[in-house]
Amino acid sequence: DAGITQSPRHKVTETGTPVTLRCHQTENHRYMYWYRQDPGHGLRLIHYSYGVKDTDKGEVSDGYSVSRSKTEDFLLTLESATSSQTSVYFCAISEPLAGGLSSYEQYFGPGTRLTVT
Amino acid sequence: GQNIDQPTEMTATEGAIVQINCTYQTSGFNGLFWYQQHAGEAPTFLSYNVLDGLEEKGRFSSFLSRSKGYSYLLLKELQMKDSASYLCAVPQGGKLIFGQGTELSVKP
Repeated sequence: DAGITQSPRHKVTETGTPVTLRCHQTENHRYMYWYRQDPGHGLRLIHYSYGVKDTDKGEVSDGYSVSRSKTEDFLLTLESATSSQTSVYFCAISEPLAGGLSSYEQYFGPGTRLTVT
Repeated sequence: GQNIDQPTEMTATEGAIVQINCTYQTSGFNGLFWYQQHAGEAPTFLSYNVLDGLEEKGRFSSFLSRSKGYSYLLLKELQMKDSASYLCAVPQGGKLIFGQGTELSVKP
């Protein structure tokens, strides 16, 4: 199994509070991703990073920010949590291989269940 | 842009064979992934197809037709533990775009 951990695994917070989720990897993979998963919507990309301090937006980035100050950590921040951000959040990593068939294969962390009341 | 379609739910009987379809429309093509996700767990990699044809891995096989924008995952000798969600995904610019997933229920 790829060495990916997420913390916290569960969190309940109130509307309007800031929340930071952490993804930590021990694989030294260059790419890291944050997804949210909701019934009827599947996995949707929030933000991703292709290297330290290099990040970009995914399809559902509004209300979220990210930071990556070192290879192993990718933080997702909800500046002011809303009930619509209640979801399960997954982190994933990948390491593109030059010419490799599995250049986009992603490994997922265990997920964080966030409830905003 | 990307568009990926899968059936939402399927039901099958233990010991049977089931085929889960995925159609896609992409600008450029870099292969297609299948992932399995058990309830409450993270998705795990099942297969990757970049060339046309069938690839077999034990009880699971995955098929791709690039000209038709179509793939399927074939599960043989179904077991109760195969009850899960099956996600197809296509790469685009260093990212994976996922379909909504097909929830498979295996009944005794």
